[in-house]
Amino acid sequence: QKEVEQNSGPLSVPEGAIASLNCTYSDRGSQSFFWYRQYSGKSPELIMSIYSNGDKEDGRFTAQLNKASQYVSLLIRDSQPSDSATYLCAVANQGGKLIFGQGTELSVKP
Amino acid sequence: EAQVTQNPRYLITVTGKKLTVTCSQNMNHEYMSWYRQDPGLGLRQIYYSMNVEVTDKGDVPEGYKVSRKEKRNFPLILESPSPNQTSLYFCASGLNGLAGGGEQYFGPGTRLTVT
Repeated sequence: QKEVEQNSGPLSVPEGAIASLNCTYSDRGSQSFFWYRQYSGKSPELIMSIYSNGDKEDGRFTAQLNKASQYVSLLIRDSQPSDSATYLCAVANQGGKLIFGQGTELSVKP
Repeated sequence: EAQVTQNPRYLITVTGKKLTVTCSQNMNHEYMSWYRQDPGLGLRQIYYSMNVEVTDKGDVPEGYKVSRKEKRNFPLILESPSPNQTSLYFCASGLNGLAGGGEQYFGPGTRLTVT
């Protein structure tokens, strides 16, 4: 079992729809959870971070964390073509070790 | 401008020829880290550093060395590169590590090819 698994893509949604990206992790000691966006040929950039159970909202983005189920998700509301990218889920322990999932490619069709 | 810089951006080298990829940040960040990205394998952490003179192994440290003699620099050293180290490498830095959802800022990447 991979330490961090994301739903396999590519995921295609129409413009204006909600995109739902999911991630599960195996280490129950994990402390912090991240969603990065990576455009083709570019560096990853942080979209959201979360470390407490529940929801965290920032504009069109909502991160959800359920530590009991070892599950973290990212919802993108009102998806735009500019949201088309690969989304990386990452999980950190108490120190500085960070494990990434394999990424989910999102395509938002106009 | 606040940034993480890496040099070189592109490098083609031969097996066994020692090389160093430099990483520098101007944000006075405590935390720095190196990653490699490969198709189908995603991003994997090589080494990280929580502070000066403190380094720890990530998921794939074999074949790599790092040092953190000063806060702003975190070079990645390949003593004897092999073709399986052909990859896209990213350096990143963060203010105080990853606890509490600390943000990392990534450098532009270094594409390394070992023949």
